[in-house]
Amino acid sequence: AQKITQTQPGMFVQEKEAVTLDCTYDTSDPSYGLFWYKQPSSGEMIFLIYQGSYDQQNATEGRYSLNFQKARKSANLVISASQLGDSAMYFCAMREGMGQGAQKLVFGQGTRLTINP
Amino acid sequence: GAVVSQHPSWVICKSGTSVKIECRSLDFQATTMFWYRQFPKQSLMLMATSNEGSKATYEQGVEKDKFLINHASLTLSTLTVTSAHPEDSSFYICSGAGFTDTQYFGPGTRLTVL
Repeated sequence: AQKITQTQPGMFVQEKEAVTLDCTYDTSDPSYGLFWYKQPSSGEMIFLIYQGSYDQQNATEGRYSLNFQKARKSANLVISASQLGDSAMYFCAMREGMGQGAQKLVFGQGTRLTINP
Repeated sequence: GAVVSQHPSWVICKSGTSVKIECRSLDFQATTMFWYRQFPKQSLMLMATSNEGSKATYEQGVEKDKFLINHASLTLSTLTVTSAHPEDSSFYICSGAGFTDTQYFGPGTRLTVL
C-alpha cells in the first residue's frame, strides 16, 4: 500500500500567489514525522519543514507552512507569496517511529511546481 | 544548516568496472547515513541504512554484494557499485542524520555506465 500519496504531478502558479501542495499519508504508528523537501533541477534535496505527529501546532518556516490535519491524514505544504526560485520538484516524506534516532524515510512521488512570471 | 557533500558529482565508467561514491557530513556527526537512488522523473528509493561502525541494512531487492556500503566514521560513508552495468546508471543521493530526526541530503552523484 502506498504510504505517501502526492496526487498532483504538476502545478502551475503565478508569481506572488500562494500555492498548496497536497500530501496524504497512511500509517498505523501513533508516532511519526512528516517532512517536505524541495529538489531543484540541480538534484540536491533541500529540507523545508517538519511536523511531528504529536505537535499541537502546524509547523511554519518563513514562507513555508504545513497544514497538518491528523484525522484526515494529510500534511499539505503551503508556500506563500511564491517566487520564481520556488520552481522545483517537491517531495513529501514520512518517518515512522520516533525517539530512536534517525529512521528511514518513505517518499511520495513528488509534485513539479512551476512558477510563472 | 547541516551540510552534506558527495564526491564525485558525476561519473562515467565502463561496464564491469567499480565506482566509489563518498558522502561526508561537513559540520555535524552523522550517526546514521542513508543511500538512495533516483531514476529520471521518479521519486527517491531507499537502498540501505548504515550506522557508524555497523554493517549496513539493505532494503529488499537491493544486492548487498553489488552495492557495498562502508560507514567507518561519523562523517564519512562510501557506496561502491561493483561490476557496474548500464542498468545501474542512476542518480545516487546520500543523507546524514545526527541526533535529531531530520535527514540532510548531499547534492547527489550522477552515475552513467557505458
